[in-house]
This record gives sequence, structure tokens and C-alpha cells, in this order.
Amino acid sequence: SQQGEEDPQALSIQEGENATMNCSYKTSINNLQWYRQNSGRGLVHLILIRSNEREKHSGRLRVTLDTSKKSSSLLITASRAADTASYFCATDEENSGYSTLTFGKGTMLLVSP
Amino acid sequence: DVKVTQSSRYLVKRTGEKVFLECVQDMDHENMFWYRQDPGLGLRLIYFSYDVKMKEKGDIPEGYSVSREKKERFSLILESASTNQTSMYLCASSLKLTSIPVDTQYFGPGTRLTVL
Repeated sequence: SQQGEEDPQALSIQEGENATMNCSYKTSINNLQWYRQNSGRGLVHLILIRSNEREKHSGRLRVTLDTSKKSSSLLITASRAADTASYFCATDEENSGYSTLTFGKGTMLLVSP
Repeated sequence: DVKVTQSSRYLVKRTGEKVFLECVQDMDHENMFWYRQDPGLGLRLIYFSYDVKMKEKGDIPEGYSVSREKKERFSLILESASTNQTSMYLCASSLKLTSIPVDTQYFGPGTRLTVL
């Protein structure tokens, strides 16, 4: 099954800096979602961008989608130590006649004080 | 707020044991999912259910079964646990499955299962 691939695998920055994570996928999608996972916990939904949208904002998060390049980016501005987590992109795909999400392997973000 | 709970945060079992992982959601969601998460492999879908008593295989169903007798509860069963099933198991739910685009999924806190 198709899988989004995040890049980089790991990212280490200082508080106040911006963090950019990228996601590439293989086939056409209806939407792309970003999730966050704190260490040892479940995933939390951050933002959903539809295939006909190019950019979306939510607080300090900015997501872009380029369907021609089959890629998306997540920008976290003015990062904080509390942003330390793994970030996953997820794309929808058809599964036995139903649509399910396929997750990438994630980018691990470390924000140092 | 949607709440998805899982019966255990940590579980240790022996090879060959039958293991039940329980997941309950309180938002009347039609759809429920079981994933496993392993380092370097990300999240992989084991089974999902779009209605009571209905189930569909995901990408890695071998060695697992599921049960959904009530809308709010989705159980993952390891009939005979093996060491390669040591993993983090995540349950999720969402409102609709057949709608386009796919809905947001809400995750439980996870169960870290160790099979010795």
C-alpha cells in the first residue's frame, strides 16, 4: 500500500526557530493529514488539507500541499520545547472498498530550550 | 472531546498465550481501527471495522483477529501470542469511513505489549 514518507527522519532545533518537515506520497489523494505523537502516547490530529487546497494555517502550524509534486510540508513557527514529538503525515487510500489512512514513518522533532 | 481508551498501557504475556486488547470510544463513531507501531516501520493497519459485527483486514492481519459486538468497543485478539508481536498497539476511531475525504482519526494512548 502507498505510504507517505517524511523527511527528515529527525530534526533538532533551538526554541524560537522554525521547524519544517516534508512528506511525499505516491498516488493521488483526496486529503492529507498531519498528526503528532508525544513519546509513548497515541497520535493527535493536527491539521487536514484537502487535495484542492494549497495552504492551510492553524495557530503556529502552516501546511502546504503540492499535488503536482505529490508532496506536503508542515511548518511549525517559533518552536517551543513542548513541540518535541514525532510528526506523521497520513494519506487516504482505498482499502477493500473503504477509505483508510496510510501513515508515514514520521519525523522526530527535538526542540531544545 | 472524543475519548478513546485502551484497557492497558503496558502488558506482558508469554508465548502461546491468548491476548485480548480492548478499545472503547465514547463518541458514537462508526469506524474503529487497530494499528501496530514498530521502530522504523511506522504505523501499520491490522484490522478495521465500519459497523457493529463488521470487520475488514488491513495490511498485516496475520496472527490477529478482532471482535466488534458493540458500537463503542473494538477488541484485538492475539490467538497465540508470539515474540514478533511485541509492539505498541494503537486503537483509533473516526466518524465516517465511506465519506470522501477520509475523516480525522482519534487515537487511544496505546498499549505496549511485550511477549516473552
